[in-house]
Amino acid sequence: GNSVTQMEGPVTLSEEAFLTINCTYTATGYPSLFWYVQYPGEGLQLLLKATKADDKGSNKGFEATYRKETTSFHLEKGSVQVSDSAVYFCALNYGGATNKLIFGTGTLLAVQP
Amino acid sequence: GAVVSQHPSRVICKSGTSVKIECRSLDFQATTMFWYRQFPKQSLMLMATSNEGSKATYEQGVEKDKFLINHASLTLSTLTVTSAHPEDSSFYICSARGARGTSANTGELFFGEGSRLTVL
Repeated sequence: GNSVTQMEGPVTLSEEAFLTINCTYTATGYPSLFWYVQYPGEGLQLLLKATKADDKGSNKGFEATYRKETTSFHLEKGSVQVSDSAVYFCALNYGGATNKLIFGTGTLLAVQP
Repeated sequence: GAVVSQHPSRVICKSGTSVKIECRSLDFQATTMFWYRQFPKQSLMLMATSNEGSKATYEQGVEKDKFLINHASLTLSTLTVTSAHPEDSSFYICSARGARGTSANTGELFFGEGSRLTVL
């Protein structure tokens, strides 16, 4: 079946450190891949997405590349800020309908000044 | 724009009581809303798809009589957990898709901030 696995948190980094949050997926066909972010007290927001193999999604300094050969969509940022502290969810969409999202468990990122 | 709000954000109730959670699209019309639940350290699981003016579509394994969903207007969907028990304690999240022909119909889902239910 379809599933998403992401690294467990919490991930604690110092400001300006390099961030990687791993995400791998299992899916039939060719899903679209997403990263959502949830800041404290707010709803999930779409951070970036990629719809086909080798696509790179990017936003707010974050990047993730759709790697079909390794079934991965790792989230990276070169220099994190305290304001990046949030929970990050990797997700895939199957069936061609945006409502059928399968999420990972979420990874809490805490950035210390 | 495209803000979705849930209420209440936290609720504690006694076993056997019913609890209603509201999901509102504040500045756009949403013909479709989705309800998810999340257990600690687990993924968000889609429970049901709610369409304005029609019955909700439930995912396999979700009890329709337990989780009543009503989508009576283009800006409001409600989830009622009936006869709640401790195993229903969870984090419930809604999302909404903007109605066709509106500026919010971008294909993106807009999420509420979630409601944490604790059943004693």
